[in-house]
Amino acid sequence: EAQVTQNPRYLITVTGKKLTVTCSQNMNHEYMSWYRQDPGLGLRQIYYSMNVEVTDKGDVPEGYKVSRKEKRNFPLILESPSPNQTSLYFCASSTGTAFLHFGDGTRLSIL
Amino acid sequence: SQELEQSPQSLIVQEGKNLTINCTSSKTLYGLYWYKQKYGEGLIFLMMLQKGGEEKSHEKITAKLDEKKQQSSLHITASQPSHAGIYLCGAEFMTTDSWGKLQFGAGTQVVVTP
Repeated sequence: EAQVTQNPRYLITVTGKKLTVTCSQNMNHEYMSWYRQDPGLGLRQIYYSMNVEVTDKGDVPEGYKVSRKEKRNFPLILESPSPNQTSLYFCASSTGTAFLHFGDGTRLSIL
Repeated sequence: SQELEQSPQSLIVQEGKNLTINCTSSKTLYGLYWYKQKYGEGLIFLMMLQKGGEEKSHEKITAKLDEKKQQSSLHITASQPSHAGIYLCGAEFMTTDSWGKLQFGAGTQVVVTP
């Protein structure tokens, strides 16, 4: 089954404790992207990757890092999480930029 | 994204009635995409529009893109409970610094009542 898998689905953590949200897709897609969703703001793009070893900033990259060492994986790293990064995060992949397949989301709460 | 405005923010419609959601861009669009999201879940792709004046339909949902490629509407005919959810428009813009960036509107929450 074609899917984008995110882990964890839910996480409550504390300020400053490094965390990684993993994202894996099994569709051999070149394009992958991370979004955060906040009430009233819609989805905002954090980082995206056009292919292995190619990543670029989206609209809200501050406080986040990504890597794309393999085609299927695109982890999102929060080196020093802060409360303003509490949000619902989505990973997505596609052969282009628009026919996005989304993961089920990761709800992060940073205290 | 302030470059993409969606309206209304939310709406309540009685089952069987029609509804329309609008998405307006401040810049010319390369492509306009409609997605549906159930609360707290991932987004499901509905339709893509790229040509000015284009209209697409799937079951009871029709999406249109205006000739200037700056405004789109999503129309649902004879709404059903299964149409409830959050509808988001996403856009790629016709600018060189927009490649790879799909921006989204804030979403429209649709509630369908019996």
